[in-house]
Amino acid sequence: AQSVTQLDSHVSVSEGTPVLLRCNYSSSYSPSLFWYVQHPNKGLQLLLKYTSAATLVKGINGFEAEFKKSETSFHLTKPSAHMSDAAEYFCVVSDQPGNTGKLIFGQGTTLQVKP
Amino acid sequence: DAGVIQSPRHEVTEMGQEVTLRCKPISGHNSLFWYRQTMMRGLELLIYFNNNVPIDDSGMPEDRFSAKMPNASFSTLKIQPSEPRDSAVYFCASRKGQGVSNQPQHFGDGTRLSIL
Repeated sequence: AQSVTQLDSHVSVSEGTPVLLRCNYSSSYSPSLFWYVQHPNKGLQLLLKYTSAATLVKGINGFEAEFKKSETSFHLTKPSAHMSDAAEYFCVVSDQPGNTGKLIFGQGTTLQVKP
Repeated sequence: DAGVIQSPRHEVTEMGQEVTLRCKPISGHNSLFWYRQTMMRGLELLIYFNNNVPIDDSGMPEDRFSAKMPNASFSTLKIQPSEPRDSAVYFCASRKGQGVSNQPQHFGDGTRLSIL
């Protein structure tokens, strides 16, 4: 069965410093992986997705993630945090292809950005 | 382009009342998902539809919950009777394709439901 683990429930960085949000996945096949962001009182917005093409995926707002099969990781990074990046971030893995099409969500990481 | 539209954004009602949440998916998307989000349980998938047909409703908590999708542009989630433990944020999401796992889901802004 597919699963995803976000290793940090809370990350705090200073504005202008790098961001690293960690995610490990478990899958019996080559998965599709996503990062979503949720700002307060908003729905989830897609940041980026990996679908077995390039292992380094660039997303919106300067975020990127690298798929590492050997480490079963899909960590999210950004070189320089901005105050507007403060939000909840979800790492997500897809269900098996041709199966239900459901997404399996991590528990989320709260990113705090200090001025 | 218009995203997924949910209404109402906020709903406050008394225990025992019927609650109906509405969702308009993105035009051209043929999969629709209903989620519930709480602090304790995070995001839970309640039910999803492909081409207006319910495919998996195993996440629906009780018979008090029901969902319909009468056409490609509209879905409802109904709770009858409502209870305080149903208080949560309910999200609707839509996606192109069916069973195609590399397509992302697009979420609405949610309905914040409070049952008193």
